[in-house]
Amino acid sequence: EMQLVESGGGLVQPGGSLTLSCAASGFIFTGSAMHWVRQASGKGLEWVGQIKGKVHSYATAYGASVTGRFTISRDDSKNTAYLQMNSLKSEDTAVYYCTRHEYGDFHFDSWGQGALVIVSS
Amino acid sequence: QPALTQPASVSGSPGQSITISCNGSTSDLGSYNLVSWYQKHPGKAPKVLIFEGGKRPSGVSYRFSGSRSGNTASLTISGLQADDEADYFCSSYIYSNSWIFGGGTKLTVL
Repeated sequence: EMQLVESGGGLVQPGGSLTLSCAASGFIFTGSAMHWVRQASGKGLEWVGQIKGKVHSYATAYGASVTGRFTISRDDSKNTAYLQMNSLKSEDTAVYYCTRHEYGDFHFDSWGQGALVIVSS
Repeated sequence: QPALTQPASVSGSPGQSITISCNGSTSDLGSYNLVSWYQKHPGKAPKVLIFEGGKRPSGVSYRFSGSRSGNTASLTISGLQADDEADYFCSSYIYSNSWIFGGGTKLTVL
């Protein structure tokens, strides 16, 4: 069974930094692109970004609202993806979900339960 | 890139059918038949219902179906059940390894 487990959420002050982790199991991690998607309270889903694997040179892509502030990385030896968030703003407050797509597919077939990030002073 | 446009809410009675639309543009839905639909219950992780416009993953009920015409995708739920009450989101690959989501539609089962 595919499983994604996020960790690292919490309260951070505006302008601060936080790193989320996503531990994966039950599928071939190196055959997947890993994504982060967030949902602010009462709002819709927002794609944050993705990272591909070694065969794709660990290419990354980001949504416009986080470009330059957020960085996605992965450690294939630990089957873990990361979301480093810098220069956090109040509007970054959201539940952050880790998800994946298998190469050749274009949909997200497994999701974590989410990690809550609150940006507030 | 603006979000895909969905109605904020739809409703239906048990046993009825409802359709949720997802409107995009020629640069997203009009260019790629790669729209997917997700069901999200409060406090739960999203679950994929439909991918590549109209394909259903194994384990997803036949009551869920999808289609696309031009810049618009649609999700139809037939034989509404109480447990279908949830938020529904469309999503599409757009370009340069990027994805986009719709604003979400709240389904109320009356």
